[in-house]
Amino acid sequence: DQQVKQNSPSLSVQEGRISILNCDYTNSMFDYFLWYKKYPAEGPTFLISISSIKDKNEDGRFTVFLNKSAKHLSLHIVPSQPGDSAVYFCAARANNNDMRFGAGTRLTVKP
Amino acid sequence: DTGVSQNPRHKITKRGQNVTFRCDPISEHNRLYWYRQTLGQGPEFLTYFQNEAQLEKSRLLSDRFSAERPKGSFSTLEIQRTEQGDSAMYLCASSLVGTVNQPQHFGDGTRLSIL
Repeated sequence: DQQVKQNSPSLSVQEGRISILNCDYTNSMFDYFLWYKKYPAEGPTFLISISSIKDKNEDGRFTVFLNKSAKHLSLHIVPSQPGDSAVYFCAARANNNDMRFGAGTRLTVKP
Repeated sequence: DTGVSQNPRHKITKRGQNVTFRCDPISEHNRLYWYRQTLGQGPEFLTYFQNEAQLEKSRLLSDRFSAERPKGSFSTLEIQRTEQGDSAMYLCASSLVGTVNQPQHFGDGTRLSIL
């Protein structure tokens, strides 16, 4: 059961522009959403999160938006940098239990 | 200790052999999770512990898999009679569960290759 979906396997953006990564979910019980970044040969690294009681959370160049009615969240990176090139995973959790992950989006930021 | 540590990083073994992986979580974290990740997919939940109690197991965790966290600190994941389909990256994560949402922090994983 694919409860968290990232429909874009890849995204390419020019350095300095905005990167927008999207994620959809089906389980209305999810109450906490996270984005992780993964480099090759490393484990996922926590990037930013948002609780279901909010619709936006910002941390430096990274902003996560949550649209509960559409069951959609997005990660905005601005300005994008070459070092941001990685695979980004969206994850969701219900009631402090285990997380469900999307399949990931590979972001490439071109200099 | 600044992060989750997993050993070994790589394991190559023949089909039918048993393998055991170890995870050392961040020291103050009371929850420990095991995930499996295959190529092109996100991590898939296997099981998790709160302190030494195993609270949930996924349907992915067949009876050939067993996990322990005997003293509520490190954990081991054992796979018996390995099969080709067990080839994957096995990830461990830990978190501190309390009243405020906290993210899980991952180790770098153990990559298992079954010959």
